[in-house]
Amino acid sequence: DAGVTQSPTHLIKTRGQQVTLRCSPKSGHDTVSWYQQALGQGPQFIFQYYEEEERQRGNFPDRFSGHQFPNYSSELNVNALLLGDSALYLCASSSGGFGGELFFGEGSRLTVL
Amino acid sequence: QQQVKQSPQSLIVQKGGIPIINCAYENTAFDYFPWYQQFPGKGPALLIAIRPDVSEKKEGRFTISFNKSAKQFSLHIMDSQPGDSATYFCAASMEGNTPLVFGKGTRLSVIA
Repeated sequence: DAGVTQSPTHLIKTRGQQVTLRCSPKSGHDTVSWYQQALGQGPQFIFQYYEEEERQRGNFPDRFSGHQFPNYSSELNVNALLLGDSALYLCASSSGGFGGELFFGEGSRLTVL
Repeated sequence: QQQVKQSPQSLIVQKGGIPIINCAYENTAFDYFPWYQQFPGKGPALLIAIRPDVSEKKEGRFTISFNKSAKQFSLHIMDSQPGDSATYFCAASMEGNTPLVFGKGTRLSVIA
């Protein structure tokens, strides 16, 4: 049973560029949440997708956007990258919205130069 | 506003010792308190969780103690092993309604 898979695992961008990160949820899960984890910090909630809609959003600017596809996979897009966007981006899947255990992927490490 | 405060930032214990990690929360509406374990290069994994209707929960060597009146909860690791060396995060949420809010983490090192 495949768990949560994320791609790419590592990437390097320059300021002002755009990035797309991808996530496939654990089999049987229909909800995807995205978290940003800065070095030495706990994960911070970006947003959650359920039934192909953004259900809740954390305190992140509109430069952060996302999408969920009919197969429940999801993308996180970040525009106009800033140095401060350098972080580990974690995708977590669950079932039925906010209820249930969160299963995290191994993350995508983004470095902005 | 940091809704979940975790301490200490780092902890070193001898093998067999009992590390204790503490968390305090502010929002009395929180009703779900999990602990996550994260190894380098990996995503966080759920270790154990508690709800406020009980004061203690034990799973294997891991125990959560919960003090509702003090708005605090803690993780105890019995007979700690070098393989327990990882970063531990406490978190809280209103289950079914809100996302998890994480503490800043505690880096635990268990030395032989």
